[in-house]
Amino acid sequence: ETGVTQSPTHLIKTRGQQVTLRCSSQSGHNTVSWYQQALGQGPQFIFQYYREEENGRGNFPPRFSGLQFPNYSSELNVNALELDDSALYLCASSSNRRELFFGEGSRLTVL
Amino acid sequence: DQQVKQNSPSLSVQEGRISILNCDYTNSMFDYFLWYKKYPAEGPTFLISISSIKDKNEDGRFTVFLNKSAKHLSLHIVPSQPGDSAVYFCAASFYNQGGKLIFGQGTELSVKP
Repeated sequence: ETGVTQSPTHLIKTRGQQVTLRCSSQSGHNTVSWYQQALGQGPQFIFQYYREEENGRGNFPPRFSGLQFPNYSSELNVNALELDDSALYLCASSSNRRELFFGEGSRLTVL
Repeated sequence: DQQVKQNSPSLSVQEGRISILNCDYTNSMFDYFLWYKKYPAEGPTFLISISSIKDKNEDGRFTVFLNKSAKHLSLHIVPSQPGDSAVYFCAASFYNQGGKLIFGQGTELSVKP
């Protein structure tokens, strides 16, 4: 059984650019959530996708958007990058259970 | 507005002894609580969870206790091992929002040989 995989693992962007992060969910999981973890903080919920529809959103501006595909994989897109967007972005998948299973994350640095 | 708080940023314990990590929450509507462990450069790994209808859940060396009246949960690790050294996060969720976890800030546990 394959776990949650994310790509890229590290990337550097400059302010104002756009970024796309990708996630493949664990086999059999139909729900994907995205989290942002700033240094020294706990992960913060960005949004969740269930059956290709956004199903819950945290306190993030509209320039954070996402997609879920029929195979349950997902993308996180961030437009007009700001310095404060520098963080570890975590993808998590789940089935009908309450436990989320996380990938290793994508470390984004905005210069 | 920090709904889930871990007030101890770090904890140091001797190998073989008990580690107790604490977590407080403010929202009585949370109905499910989880503990995750995170090593550097890795994603959080699920450890153990507890429903609000229970007050204790055990899995091997890990036990989670929930005190709803105090809005407090704790994770006990017995016996502690050097490989347990990591950052531990508690998290909470609401009944109809299972994918939305509210995390605490984390406690860094160091288990010394």
